[in-house]
Amino acid sequence: IAGITQAPTSQILAAGRRMTLRCTQDMRHNAMYWYRQDLGLGLRLIHYSNTAGTTGKGEVPDGYSVSRANTDDFPLTLASAVPSQTSVYFCASSESSGANVLTFGAGSRLTVL
Amino acid sequence: GQNIDQPTEMTATEGAIVQINCTYQTSGFNGLFWYQQHAGEAPTFLSYNVLDGLEEKGRFSSFLSRSKGYSYLLLKELQMKDSASYLCAVSDSNYQLIWGAGTKLIIKP
Repeated sequence: IAGITQAPTSQILAAGRRMTLRCTQDMRHNAMYWYRQDLGLGLRLIHYSNTAGTTGKGEVPDGYSVSRANTDDFPLTLASAVPSQTSVYFCASSESSGANVLTFGAGSRLTVL
Repeated sequence: GQNIDQPTEMTATEGAIVQINCTYQTSGFNGLFWYQQHAGEAPTFLSYNVLDGLEEKGRFSSFLSRSKGYSYLLLKELQMKDSASYLCAVSDSNYQLIWGAGTKLIIKP
């Protein structure tokens, strides 16, 4: 089934540890995104990539990094996790970076203690 | 600043009609999206409006007034499975999506 796969589904992490959330899509979409979703707040964009080889900062990029080595994969790395990064993380993709419909992955629930 | 406002929670009865409002203030406008998100799941696309007026898709309709910075999502013949959060998002002048916090819709039998 075409779509986006995220891993892990859920993770508990000690503060200070490094963590990479994986995201893979098989729809050959050019644009990919990482959002975090916190209770009472709208989805907030962390980083995005309009096409393979390029990345950009979103609304809340501090403490996170991404890479886009190829079309399919867009991993999100927390270099040194802090409790405020406890959240649900969604990876999404769209055909292009214009006003296009987003397809979301199932999400990764991260708890930083 | 950019802002999307929608009610936090609404309750409706199975079989009835409910309207979820969304008002926005953004730098530029390239369309407004509605997504549905069931608890613990990913958002899924419902509708897209870029011109003023009503877009109908089965039991769901979405309306846009760009001059008023206003949209609504209308759900008819409510079913229990419609219990979910409904997210309003606006594409701004840079084609970045600005998201509302979502409206949790509770359907009662």
